[in-house]
Amino acid sequence: GAVVSQHPSWVICKSGTSVKIECRSLDFQATTMFWYRQFPKQSLMLMATSNEGSKATYEQGVEKDKFLINHASLTLSTLTVTSAHPEDSSFYICSARDLTGGPNSPLHFGNGTRLTVT
Amino acid sequence: LAKTTQPISMDSYEGQEVNITCSHNNIATNDYITWYQQFPSQGPRFIIQGYKTKVTNEVASLFIPADRKSSTLSLPRVSLSDTAVYYCLVGEGSSNTGKLIFGQGTTLQVKP
Repeated sequence: GAVVSQHPSWVICKSGTSVKIECRSLDFQATTMFWYRQFPKQSLMLMATSNEGSKATYEQGVEKDKFLINHASLTLSTLTVTSAHPEDSSFYICSARDLTGGPNSPLHFGNGTRLTVT
Repeated sequence: LAKTTQPISMDSYEGQEVNITCSHNNIATNDYITWYQQFPSQGPRFIIQGYKTKVTNEVASLFIPADRKSSTLSLPRVSLSDTAVYYCLVGEGSSNTGKLIFGQGTTLQVKP
């Protein structure tokens, strides 16, 4: 089945630094990927839609200059948390669809990246 | 996007059948219903998807009435490892750009 891989699985960084998270579709191409954030004991919150070759679309309330998204190829999207602060500590999850499975293929999710900002 | 409503939590015992119902009164004609399972510190895992009537796979069944305003995920003979959060999502799966919004999910606790 379709596999979405994230790297790293966890990262600890100091306040004020930037962190890059990678999301790869391992065995399919994805022109669109989605980035979610999840705080402890809460549901996933959609942050943005990553579009290959064009600008990402951000959900209301998500700072595009803080959460930089780049989708430079059909199998890779990156999320960079710039000038991270402790309140950015969260679980970041990406997802994508493998449309070779049909027009209504479900979203497949990566295993997430646990970000801790100290 | 259609909003979904699920029970916040459910308890069950090993070997029982568990049915989790989701309400989606504003479901659109093109929307599909998809269920995911999530364990702590992991990404959601696809369980089952359907448009109408009944869908069954190796792990679950999905029942959708004719009006499609609700759906029921049925897990046969649950085990302790089925303890997880279950999310019902409604969205246009036919679109590559179709985003999915998560509701609060149902925390299922399976007891021995």
